Amino acid sequence: EVQLVESGGGLVQPGGSLRLSCAASGFPFTNYWMTWVRQAPGKGLQGVASINPDGTKKHYVDSVKGRFTISRDNAKNSLYLQMNSLRDEDTSVYYCARRRGIRYSSGWSHSFDMWGQGTMVTVSS
Amino acid sequence: DIQMTQSPSSLSASVGDRVTITCRASQSIRNYLNWYQQKPGKAPQLLIHAASTLQSGVPSRFSGSGSGTDFTLTIGSLQPEDSATYYCQQSDDNPPDTFGGGTKVEIK
Repeated sequence: EVQLVESGGGLVQPGGSLRLSCAASGFPFTNYWMTWVRQAPGKGLQGVASINPDGTKKHYVDSVKGRFTISRDNAKNSLYLQMNSLRDEDTSVYYCARRRGIRYSSGWSHSFDMWGQGTMVTVSS
Repeated sequence: DIQMTQSPSSLSASVGDRVTITCRASQSIRNYLNWYQQKPGKAPQLLIHAASTLQSGVPSRFSGSGSGTDFTLTIGSLQPEDSATYYCQQSDDNPPDTFGGGTKVEIK
């Protein structure tokens, strides 16, 4: 079955750490950029971190730079998000998403064509 | 960073109505604009990519148009199952890509 399954969420105190995992199956994981997208309660979607297929390129939204680290283990078809120095405002559902690229004459169009079910991270004392 | 602005933030319409949602980018993103539908408690689902290409399996009442900075998602004939929040997302800039603030569509 083609799917993404997140795990690792939970309740953590401000300043604490948490590691999220995303297990991919049913597709060639090594062919895709992957992204973590989060959604605070009642709010919209925010791209948090992205990683290229071989793990050599990583991009982060400014608000998590220096605190979060995205990584992947292609041998295990797994994506990770190490979250340190967590803040109240990091409280969100975290989704992993497959970033599909389609080549056009003008360049590459990327979209998130597969999502996991999400894992909740709550930062609170 | 490219900012995405959606309007309206919410709307209420009747079954069978034609519904239009707009998305504006702070700078040209060519046609690198995607639309998603999200229902409560669920992950988003891709509806349209590259501004106007319908994702496989998505009903044909959904359509997208636009290029540069201004884009539109249209639901040709609103159905009860279309009650959801819709998001635009640009992919012309470096990842992680940015989303619009969302438009909540309710059925009267």
